[in-house]
Amino acid sequence: GEDVEQSLFLSVREGDSSVINCTYTDSSSTYLYWYKQEPGAGLQLLTYIFSNMDMKQDQRLTVLLNKKDKHLSLRIADTQTGDSAIYFCAEDTGGFKTIFGAGTRLFVKA
Amino acid sequence: DTGVSQDPRHKITKRGQNVTFRCDPISEHNRLYWYRQTLGQGPEFLTYFQNEAQLEKSRLLSDRFSAERPKGSFSTLEIQRTEQGDSAMYLCASSRPAGGEETQYFGPGTRLLVL
Repeated sequence: GEDVEQSLFLSVREGDSSVINCTYTDSSSTYLYWYKQEPGAGLQLLTYIFSNMDMKQDQRLTVLLNKKDKHLSLRIADTQTGDSAIYFCAEDTGGFKTIFGAGTRLFVKA
Repeated sequence: DTGVSQDPRHKITKRGQNVTFRCDPISEHNRLYWYRQTLGQGPEFLTYFQNEAQLEKSRLLSDRFSAERPKGSFSTLEIQRTEQGDSAMYLCASSRPAGGEETQYFGPGTRLLVL
């Protein structure tokens, strides 16, 4: 079945890079997304990658996609305390359906 | 503000009461989605509209749940005879597919607590 898995927690020091990993199961996914959720708030789209791409960079964010292994990662360079949040990986399985992971809680220590 | 808005942001109700939530999507978006998010989990799909037509409903959406989008703009989600298990964040998202890409933009959510 369709499933998206992420590690639950990540702790980094301010200024270091953060790497959040995700695996997905549906090989037909066309788009893969990273969303950020701060406490008590809705989801904010950070970036997305089309399935025929290997990498996408957007300022401090780098998305890497390994389609063979169905592995997606989000790298945040120079992590700041304001980056502390929950990060959700999501796959678009076609049509209307987007499947979300349970989220990775990023803690940034000053 | 041209983002997705939801009302109310918070709702506390007693078990057995009915509640209704409203979502206003981004104005040019023809697709609207409802999700439920419980503590420690990602959003789970509930239902989806294209314009005014409700095209899909999750098995999570019991008979006590009903959603409408009468004019293809705002949508309402009603929960009848609420149960404690309905306590969750209810998220609305909207999208406008273009060129094979469809990014969903989320509202701030309505947090429901059933006592």
